[in-house]
Amino acid sequence: DAGITQSPRHKVTETGTPVTLRCHQTENHRYMYWYRQDPGHGLRLIHYSYGVKDTDKGEVSDGYSVSRSKTEDFLLTLESATSSQTSVYFCAISEGPTSTNEKLFFGSGTQLSVL
Amino acid sequence: AQTVTQSQPEMSVQEAETVTLSCTYDTSESDYYLFWYKQPPSRQMILVIRQEAYKQQNATENRFSVNFQKAAKSFSLKISDSQLGDAAMYFCAYKDRDDKIIFGKGTRLHILP
Repeated sequence: DAGITQSPRHKVTETGTPVTLRCHQTENHRYMYWYRQDPGHGLRLIHYSYGVKDTDKGEVSDGYSVSRSKTEDFLLTLESATSSQTSVYFCAISEGPTSTNEKLFFGSGTQLSVL
Repeated sequence: AQTVTQSQPEMSVQEAETVTLSCTYDTSESDYYLFWYKQPPSRQMILVIRQEAYKQQNATENRFSVNFQKAAKSFSLKISDSQLGDAAMYFCAYKDRDDKIIFGKGTRLHILP
């Protein structure tokens, strides 16, 4: 299994508070992704990174920011959490387009509840 | 923008039978990847099978195979000899050179003993 660790695994927070989720990888993969999973919506891309300090928006990026200061870490921040951001958040990694075996490896997910 | 559509929110199949899950996608690209991922109740995302668009041969992994129809933009997953452990949510996904990987909304598969 790919070395991807998400922290925390579960978090309950209050509306209006900032929240940061962490994704750490030991695979030295270039690409990292944040998805959210909601019933009836599948997995939707929030932000992704294609290298240190290189990030881009996904389809549901409003209300979220990311940072990648090291290859192994990709942080997702909710500046002011809202109840609509209650979801399961997945981090994923991939080698990138130069790979001959391109695929996503996923972390175990973070259940975030915003009350 | 690319889209991935899974038109079957839920399906059921008798144990040991064969089931096919549908997936269609929309793209103007010619070079891309397609994937099927499985998510059991444990929530872990598991790669089932992968197809490169430039390969005409359909990918196969043991009891899992795909029917890739590039012109029709269709990528269905066939599960043969269904087992209880196949019960899960199945997601179809698309990736092109933009490196974003887009998922469908999923199909929940039930296996009937």
